[in-house]
Amino acid sequence: SAVISQKPSRDICQRGTSLTIQCQVDSQVTMMFWYRQQPGQSLTLIATANQGSEATYESGFVIDKFPISRPNLTFSTLTVSNMSPEDSSIYLCSVGGDLGTEAFFGQGTRLTVV
Amino acid sequence: KQEVTQIPAALSVPEGENLVLNCSFTDSAIYNLQWFRQDPGKGLTSLLLIQSSQREQTSGRLNASLDKSSGRSTLYIAASQPGDSATYLCAVLASNTGKLIFGQGTTLQVKP
Repeated sequence: SAVISQKPSRDICQRGTSLTIQCQVDSQVTMMFWYRQQPGQSLTLIATANQGSEATYESGFVIDKFPISRPNLTFSTLTVSNMSPEDSSIYLCSVGGDLGTEAFFGQGTRLTVV
Repeated sequence: KQEVTQIPAALSVPEGENLVLNCSFTDSAIYNLQWFRQDPGKGLTSLLLIQSSQREQTSGRLNASLDKSSGRSTLYIAASQPGDSATYLCAVLASNTGKLIFGQGTTLQVKP
């Protein structure tokens, strides 16, 4: 199993500002995944972050809005830029789930944009 | 395109009841299926992982089954407790994309 620490656990932000979410894993992993869960909805994959290369974004998500860093094999950040109320969601990082392995999630960041 | 559906969307039961949550998926080409629990405003906790070659997995009071050919999985919870109250999500790992596809979840309330 993997233990994932995600910070902050929640935040209330002003529109137009940016928030960076950190994700730390207790073991080295090749890929880390970032998801968004809008209120009352299920999870949607934002991007896949590989160490040493650019993140791969899903349809509907762009690097300018959700820049991702992956400086080493245990850490990643997701920034939500130029926020609007529509960005209010829970953001989750995840490891595993690829190549048939079990997926593990952080405790999530509950973001409210006012 | 793989789609995952969970029925019912919400369920309320008295404490002690045995219950079944359903998950269906449209494409049988999956690596595995995973059940998660999510408490309000929190992250996901993995409950059970069933590989595509397996029929079921058990952990404590939980039993998950998988019928890949019919595109169905069930999560059986025995002797439910108020602490089981949460949203339960199923997700399949699609073979063609290697990505997890989630259902909308079933929100369970167990009343004392």
